[in-house]
Amino acid sequence: DAGVIQSPRHEVTEMGQEVTLRCKPISGHNSLFWYRQTMMRGLELLIYFNNNVPIDDSGMPEDRFSAKMPNASFSTLKIQPSEPRDSAVYFCASSQQALVNTEAFFGQGTRLTVV
Amino acid sequence: QQPVQSPQAVILREGEDAVINCSSSKALYSVHWYRQKHGEAPVFLMILLKGGEQKGHEKISASFNEKKQQSSLYLTASQLSYSGTYFCGTGGSSNTGKLIFGQGTTLQVKP
Repeated sequence: DAGVIQSPRHEVTEMGQEVTLRCKPISGHNSLFWYRQTMMRGLELLIYFNNNVPIDDSGMPEDRFSAKMPNASFSTLKIQPSEPRDSAVYFCASSQQALVNTEAFFGQGTRLTVV
Repeated sequence: QQPVQSPQAVILREGEDAVINCSSSKALYSVHWYRQKHGEAPVFLMILLKGGEQKGHEKISASFNEKKQQSSLYLTASQLSYSGTYFCGTGGSSNTGKLIFGQGTTLQVKP
């Protein structure tokens, strides 16, 4: 398996623009997680899905952020409008199930820079 | 509440040992350990569960003190490849995959 695939790897956008990050989880994994990593706040869980259904979105910073999982092999994280403070590395991870005895596999991340 | 990791950073020579600690103010059901090399994704190392179950790499050892809400990761006879940032992620319930990660401990192993 190719692992968790994220695109794009790097994104530079201007403040106010819409940004869409994409993720393809490992085939057969039922759970998908979106994380944001910054120096100040570390690795934060934004939202996670189980069987394509959002289970916990309490980490989504504000209404400018939205995430969807239309099917088992694809998820998006959208920021509209983007702001400079959204600059971070965004990771997608998947696991076989959303249980604490199951390891997560991370994608390579998308480095987002909002100028 | 984010777990607290200590130390924040450590520098070792090859062959030396290190211990990384993770402490939470909340009751824990599980502790996950991941290692992240610069510019790369975090990679799974180990899971420790309430009750003593463990899952992870054979060469990595860790402990989980449920009463103290603490976990420690033991890196023995360190190798250059051990360099990176180590994160603990804590889970407070058995029926959710939600983890809260610590700020990380940066480990540098020198020849």
